[in-house]
Amino acid sequence: SAVISQKPSRDICQRGTSLTIQCQVDSQVTMMFWYRQQPGQSLTLIATANQGSEATYESGFVIDKFPISRPNLTFSTLTVSNMSPEDSSIYLCSVDDPRQYNEQFFGPGTRLTVL
Amino acid sequence: AQSVTQLDSHVSVSEGTPVLLRCNYSSSYSPSLFWYVQHPNKGLQLLLKYTSAATLVKGINGFEAEFKKSETSFHLTKPSAHMSDAAEYFCVVSERGGTDKLIFGTGTRLQVFP
Repeated sequence: SAVISQKPSRDICQRGTSLTIQCQVDSQVTMMFWYRQQPGQSLTLIATANQGSEATYESGFVIDKFPISRPNLTFSTLTVSNMSPEDSSIYLCSVDDPRQYNEQFFGPGTRLTVL
Repeated sequence: AQSVTQLDSHVSVSEGTPVLLRCNYSSSYSPSLFWYVQHPNKGLQLLLKYTSAATLVKGINGFEAEFKKSETSFHLTKPSAHMSDAAEYFCVVSERGGTDKLIFGTGTRLQVFP
């Protein structure tokens, strides 16, 4: 199965600043997804990122707040812009692994705290 | 629109007793269904998946789930709980399986007492 790493693993940031989270996969994948898990909550999809096209955002999430890049088939970044304490969450990337039919694999997550 | 409902936010069992975590789904299509587990401060791990093949699905660590279309259910079971099973469990639905967005349930926290 795909091995996914995320950087940073955790961070504490001041309100009004931005943080870029990196997601690296050890193999080429078509689809990459970004999810948010707010404290004590379930996971919610932020956007889907395909290489070579604009990310597709879910209702309630906008590109100005969560810009995403997908420069190649193994890497993506999510930026959390102009942060507020409400952005404190775990952010996870996931991929569909073409070697494993019909499965998504998740990275370890980035735990973000905004003061 | 798709959705999943996990009927219990918390389940407590004694070690060695059966586990039942309940999940109902709603989907306009023939869905793909998954159970994921999240141990404290660890990432999500896929336990098992249903993708329109056998309705009884066996997963890792002795877990299994049965897809019942008539009841729109996909309950997770294990015959005998182990202390290491204590974690958060998510029931997940997708219209097109792993290549589509996943819709997560609210989660069930499983506690296992000695």
